Amino acid sequence: AQKITQTQPGMFVQEKEAVTLDCTYDTSDPSYGLFWYKQPSSGEMIFLIYQGSYDQQNATEGRYSLNFQKARKSANLVISASQLGDSAMYFCAMREGTMLGGTSYGKLTFGQGTILTVHP
Amino acid sequence: ETGVTQSPTHLIKTRGQQVTLRCSSQSGHNTVSWYQQALGQGPQFIFQYYREEENGRGNFPPRFSGLQFPNYSSELNVNALELDDSALYLCASSPGTSRSNEQFFGPGTRLTVL
Repeated sequence: AQKITQTQPGMFVQEKEAVTLDCTYDTSDPSYGLFWYKQPSSGEMIFLIYQGSYDQQNATEGRYSLNFQKARKSANLVISASQLGDSAMYFCAMREGTMLGGTSYGKLTFGQGTILTVHP
Repeated sequence: ETGVTQSPTHLIKTRGQQVTLRCSSQSGHNTVSWYQQALGQGPQFIFQYYREEENGRGNFPPRFSGLQFPNYSSELNVNALELDDSALYLCASSPGTSRSNEQFFGPGTRLTVL
């Protein structure tokens, strides 16, 4: 079974509008972390935002916010006021377990990604 | 503070050859992970090194091996290259102390196997 599912292969948004990128996840571990990364055509993965499974509030980082619905196992990324530079591939990822130095500590499981295109 | 660097940026090899990819972690980071990203796919976890020892591995065969050095730089070695090994190889380091264990990725090495 897929651990991370991104159902939108591609999304289009008008500049200055908001856009939501969907992500659902599957885990039986009570302790996990959810990440969103941006990957421009250059290839480098850029960290955007993190949500811990025990966090009570939704994470926000500037124009990025994470709509965390634990019961539904969804972690959607919301980008407000889209900019042309936001055009890129976006990946949702999950880390299960939190033990420092543990075998899963550095392992991220990624979804298939969503290509976002921002139109002027 | 320098970020994660990888070398080389591009590499072309032929089937059956061996390749070594290198990664310099961000200063102070003691955990490094390697990922393989095939074209159009999300990255797949290869393995993780923590304080110079492998302590986590994904579903990759033993011909994928690695090293982490005392300065926390790292190498990924792939023996007996196959055509399907063509991919972007990403190295990521993390401090092992932050709550999120945010991983900082390098720019990647694009390997082409002919």
